[in-house]
Amino acid sequence: DTAVSQTPKYLVTQMGNDKSIKCEQNLGHDTMYWYKQDSKKFLKIMFSYNNKELIINETVPNRFSPKSPDKAHLNLHINSLELGDSAVYFCASSEQGARREKLFFGSGTQLSVL
Amino acid sequence: GQQLNQSPQSMFIQEGEDVSMNCTSSSIFNTWLWYKQDPGEGPVLLIALYKAGELTSNGRLTAQFGITRKDSFLNISASIPSDVGIYFCAGQISGGSNYKLTFGKGTLLTVNP
Repeated sequence: DTAVSQTPKYLVTQMGNDKSIKCEQNLGHDTMYWYKQDSKKFLKIMFSYNNKELIINETVPNRFSPKSPDKAHLNLHINSLELGDSAVYFCASSEQGARREKLFFGSGTQLSVL
Repeated sequence: GQQLNQSPQSMFIQEGEDVSMNCTSSSIFNTWLWYKQDPGEGPVLLIALYKAGELTSNGRLTAQFGITRKDSFLNISASIPSDVGIYFCAGQISGGSNYKLTFGKGTLLTVNP
């Protein structure tokens, strides 16, 4: 069983569209994250949720809205997609407390905005 | 914010060679980690370091937490083709509720059989 699974794996869409990426973890972790990896492979955190509560919200356009219906799920909705949104988006999870730095990543969603 | 300088950016080596890469920071970190990303996959944790001077191994991989707490090193011995990938260092400052990791820009490793 995949520990952190995100769908879809690939997403190709037109500028201006709205799209969602879903993420689920079956590790029993309390904390989930969204990271963006640009074309130069730089990984940057976007959001973090702990037990459905937003705890990290980096400087991300408000077109990006995370939603956590329960602690095993963290979805990312993107409105009015722009060319610059093209990237690989990774969901991740970790335990709460002393070992929060040990992230478990999904396999990524490659978003291409045309 | 914190910045991590990771070097080298890329390496091309022959199978069997040893590899070294490092990460330096302008800030002190309490935790250093090394992740590996295979093509088309997410990063996977290799080694976590929690104490200045700590030296930890995971098979052919050895990582060290620098004494100044501003750097870390990763060595791979006797490289094999499946070592190919991007290696990321990451640092964390403990404490506070706004917890997050800062990642380096990665070292792309290519191993020629």
